[in-house]
Amino acid sequence: GESVGLHLPTLSVQEGDNSIINCAYSNSASDYFIWYKQESGKGPQFIIDIRSNMDKRQGQRVTVLLNKTVKHLSLQIAATQPGDSAVYFCTHGGTSYGKLTFGQGTILTVHP
Amino acid sequence: GAGVSQSPRYKVAKRGQDVALRCDPISGHVSLFWYQQALGQGPEFLTYFQNEAQLDKSGLPSDRFFAERPEGSVSTLKIQRTQQEDSAVYLCASSIYRANTEAFFGQGTRLTVV
Repeated sequence: GESVGLHLPTLSVQEGDNSIINCAYSNSASDYFIWYKQESGKGPQFIIDIRSNMDKRQGQRVTVLLNKTVKHLSLQIAATQPGDSAVYFCTHGGTSYGKLTFGQGTILTVHP
Repeated sequence: GAGVSQSPRYKVAKRGQDVALRCDPISGHVSLFWYQQALGQGPEFLTYFQNEAQLDKSGLPSDRFFAERPEGSVSTLKIQRTQQEDSAVYLCASSIYRANTEAFFGQGTRLTVV
């Protein structure tokens, strides 16, 4: 079935450290995976996506790694800043029109 | 602004009351989604529109929930005879074309049913 789960519900880091947020998925048929960030009182915001035929993709201060063998996805944030504090969701696209399936989310707290 | 706009931001309804939540997507965006987000949970899909056509309403929890997008732009989510379990944040998202991975979300409408 379609499900997206997260290993850790909370993550606390010091400003300047690198953060790694992990995610497990079960739907091998997904064409792509997406990370969203949701700050308190706001809607989710797109961070980065990765196609299922890729292993790694880099953005500005973020890297997403996809391991299809163990069905694992991770988001790495370099030099984490207080503004990165938010809930992070991994999602996957399971339809032709972009319907998203969200997991519970990981709460990232960055301490100055 | 150029983002997705939702109104009202907050809505308190008495149990049994009907409510209507509005979404103004980004101009020109073909796809429009509604999601429901309970406290401490991830958003859950409710329904999808491609222009004015509602192509997927599999996530609507009951026949009390109804959504429309009559002219392919503004959308309204209506909940009839609200119940306490309807209390949640209702999020609207739009994307420029079908199958685009980047969806833009509004700030949501927080509905509290008392």
